[in-house]
Amino acid sequence: AQKVTQAQTEISVVEKEDVTLDCVYETRDTTYYLFWYKQPPSGELVFLIRRNSFDEQNEISGRYSWNFQKSTSSFNFTITASQVVDSAVYFCALSEAYAGNNRKLIWGLGTSLAVNP
Amino acid sequence: DAMVIQNPRYQVTQFGKPVTLSCSQTLNHNVMYWYQQKSSQAPKLLFHYYDKDFNNEADTPDNFQSRRPNTSFCFLDIRSPGLGDAAMYLCATSRTTGLAGVQETQYFGPGTRLLVL
Repeated sequence: AQKVTQAQTEISVVEKEDVTLDCVYETRDTTYYLFWYKQPPSGELVFLIRRNSFDEQNEISGRYSWNFQKSTSSFNFTITASQVVDSAVYFCALSEAYAGNNRKLIWGLGTSLAVNP
Repeated sequence: DAMVIQNPRYQVTQFGKPVTLSCSQTLNHNVMYWYQQKSSQAPKLLFHYYDKDFNNEADTPDNFQSRRPNTSFCFLDIRSPGLGDAAMYLCATSRTTGLAGVQETQYFGPGTRLLVL
């Protein structure tokens, strides 16, 4: 079965600290996709990044960076110099193939990040 | 800006009284999804429309129905809400290119928080 594990349920940091959110996945698919979403207290799920299994390049977007390592089945997310506005629940998700070419997302349980001033 | 819109943002209904939640999108995406998210949990897919084709998840209760009258709109009908149906309901869209096995990014609306009294 395909699964996504976000072992950190809650993380609390002080503003300007760097923080890494872990995501470990299990899949038997050779082609798969990984996502990170941010859910602030307002409730909307905000898309952050999509990565396919053939692209192991790390990605940097401003203060955000992602480290994808197929060898350890991990897709970790780092926020550099965290800010209070980064406080949210962050979800990692894996696309699962089913019924031929159909796909759906398998979600981790989320990591709640609190950035304190 | 192109977006996913959900109305209302908050909905209060009575136990057993039918309720309809709406979602519209200006992204011209061909796939629309409905998720249920309870407190401190990951989103749970209820069903999705691939164009006009309805795809129900096996564990979605019969109490939940959906309609998609056109590309832009999708409705979630809860025929007889129970206390356990109180949750955030999230609508999402994606543009499927038709390429086999490709998982496109899902973009979410702000959600409707349903309270059942």
